[in-house]
Amino acid sequence: AQSVTQLGSHVSVSEGALVLLRCNYSSSVPPYLFWYVQYPNQGLQLLLKYTSAATLVKGINGFEAEFKKSETSFHLTKPSAHMSDAAEYFCAVRTNTGNQFYFGTGTSLTVIP
Amino acid sequence: NAGVMQNPRHLVRRRGQEARLRCSPMKGHSHVYWYRQLPEEGLKFMVYLQKENIIDESGMPKERFSAEFPKEGPSILRIQQVVRGDSAAYFCASSLQGVHANEQYFGPGTRLTVT
Repeated sequence: AQSVTQLGSHVSVSEGALVLLRCNYSSSVPPYLFWYVQYPNQGLQLLLKYTSAATLVKGINGFEAEFKKSETSFHLTKPSAHMSDAAEYFCAVRTNTGNQFYFGTGTSLTVIP
Repeated sequence: NAGVMQNPRHLVRRRGQEARLRCSPMKGHSHVYWYRQLPEEGLKFMVYLQKENIIDESGMPKERFSAEFPKEGPSILRIQQVVRGDSAAYFCASSLQGVHANEQYFGPGTRLTVT
């Protein structure tokens, strides 16, 4: 079975500070991992994805994530937070044996000016 | 290239009425997924369809919920005899193929309120 755990439902950072959003997954087979961002009253937008190529994945808006198999983690980072980064972030896992995405419960990011 | 379209964006129904949610996938996409998002929760998978076929409905409630994706026209998620617990945001996503590495593209969602 697959599952995703996002530690910290709310994260606050100062503008210009490092952003770190945590995601741990559980999967019995090699996973595909995704980070999505959701702005208020909108759908989800893909930030980046890991599909078994490079373990360090770069996405849009300066975000990146590193796949660490030994830690079953796929944490999302950005060196310097911007006010426009305030949103809800979802980590998701999919495998090559299933049809659906499994989403975490989300992390709400607040950026303090 | 238009993205995934969903309508209506907001839907209010009284208990016992029917709700019909529509989803038009991105051009060229033949795989459609429906998810439900309850307040303060992540998205929960409901159903996966290809044109005229339901591939996986393991996340659909057994009663009152149905989905279709006809040869022509949008995909429809239908909820009969709605109850207050059905109030949620319903998201549709589409993908180019069912290949598992492919991302899904999400629509803006339909926010259903049952009064």
